[in-house]
Amino acid sequence: GAVVSQHPSWVICKSGTSVKIECRSLDFQATTMFWYRQFPKQSLMLMATSNEGSKATYEQGVEKDKFLINHASLTLSTLTVTSAHPEDSSFYICSASGSRNEQFFGPGTRLTVL
Amino acid sequence: SQQGEEDPQALSIQEGENATMNCSYKTSINNLQWYRQNSGRGLVHLILIRSNEREKHSGRLRVTLDTSKKSSSLLITASRAADTASYFCATDAWGTSGSRLTFGEGTQLTVNP
Repeated sequence: GAVVSQHPSWVICKSGTSVKIECRSLDFQATTMFWYRQFPKQSLMLMATSNEGSKATYEQGVEKDKFLINHASLTLSTLTVTSAHPEDSSFYICSASGSRNEQFFGPGTRLTVL
Repeated sequence: SQQGEEDPQALSIQEGENATMNCSYKTSINNLQWYRQNSGRGLVHLILIRSNEREKHSGRLRVTLDTSKKSSSLLITASRAADTASYFCATDAWGTSGSRLTFGEGTQLTVNP
């Protein structure tokens, strides 16, 4: 149990385009979802926390207009990187948390912006 | 600021040897967790130790927690080449939006066959 999927697993896009990443909890209801970013050889940095049906809470330094987060259902959250630039190239990882507060991580999405 | 700091940043050992990684943190925590990440892949949860626990075992893994020193260690015994990965500690503390994890910088472990 407690499986979290992400789609796509990797994406390459041109500078200036927008990219949407999906995070799904497959076998439990996720009241809270988290989005992390990881640059090469670095740790995971929390970008934002989203609760189902409410606006996401962004960490300091993360632009909410650039990284749009939608958590419209208890099993799906999406992260849209708007007007992506090469510096947004990174590994994006989501996690989902249900009633027990434990976080379950997705496999990550590798974004490369050309 | 980053909550967790780990040392060493990189560790290279021979198969069969033990590997010890350390993690320090700054604030009060509910629990501390250790994760493994193979290159370019997602996280694998290894073990969780609560703030009122001092030691925990899981297979070849042994985790200690010293809340007075705000530090934890992960010991992998009888290491195998397959243990080669990055290892991260993550502290779980209550924030304004509920429980949140803060990750350490990680230790890159290489186990040579």
